Amino acid sequence: AQSVTQLDSHVSVSEGTPVLLRCNYSSSYSPSLFWYVQHPNKGLQLLLKYTSAATLVKGINGFEAEFKKSETSFHLTKPSAHMSDAAEYFCVVSSYNQGGKLIFGQGTELSVKP
Amino acid sequence: SAVISQKPSRDICQRGTSLTIQCQVDSQVTMMFWYRQQPGQSLTLIATANQGSEATYESGFVIDKFPISRPNLTFSTLTVSNMSPEDSSIYLCSGSSSNTGELFFGEGSRLTVL
Repeated sequence: AQSVTQLDSHVSVSEGTPVLLRCNYSSSYSPSLFWYVQHPNKGLQLLLKYTSAATLVKGINGFEAEFKKSETSFHLTKPSAHMSDAAEYFCVVSSYNQGGKLIFGQGTELSVKP
Repeated sequence: SAVISQKPSRDICQRGTSLTIQCQVDSQVTMMFWYRQQPGQSLTLIATANQGSEATYESGFVIDKFPISRPNLTFSTLTVSNMSPEDSSIYLCSGSSSNTGELFFGEGSRLTVL
């Protein structure tokens, strides 16, 4: 069985400071891991994905995530937050062995203060 | 990226009625899924839409309540039957690309049941 846990339901940072959104996963198979962002009243957008290549994955808008198998983690980071980063972020796990279904974490709401 | 179109984008329905949501994808998509996002919640997989056969439902979802069709590769419908206020949610159609494995999402259908 697969699962994903986002350790913070809400994170608040000041503009220009680093962002860290934490995610731990559980998977019986080699997982694929994703981060999606959802802005208010908008659809879901893929930020980045890990599919067993390089463990440090770079995504759009300056975000990156590091796959750490020993810690079963896939935390999302960004060096400097912008106001436009305020949104809901979802950590997602998938496995080809599970038919490619995506299992979503509960989400982390990121607030950015001026 | 794949293009996924859903309609209606939103609707307000009366208790006890049924609503069918349509989803059209482009030819890059091989697998199709339906998700539900209840207010303030994460996404939960309802079912995998199988072309020309019965959908594969996740635990807690049944065909009588959420009948799904996929008559061809690029089109699927989800019906929410005998609606109650608890069915008020955003319903999202998604499709995965055979080339990249990435999952793309429609904008969602926001359903309010009075």
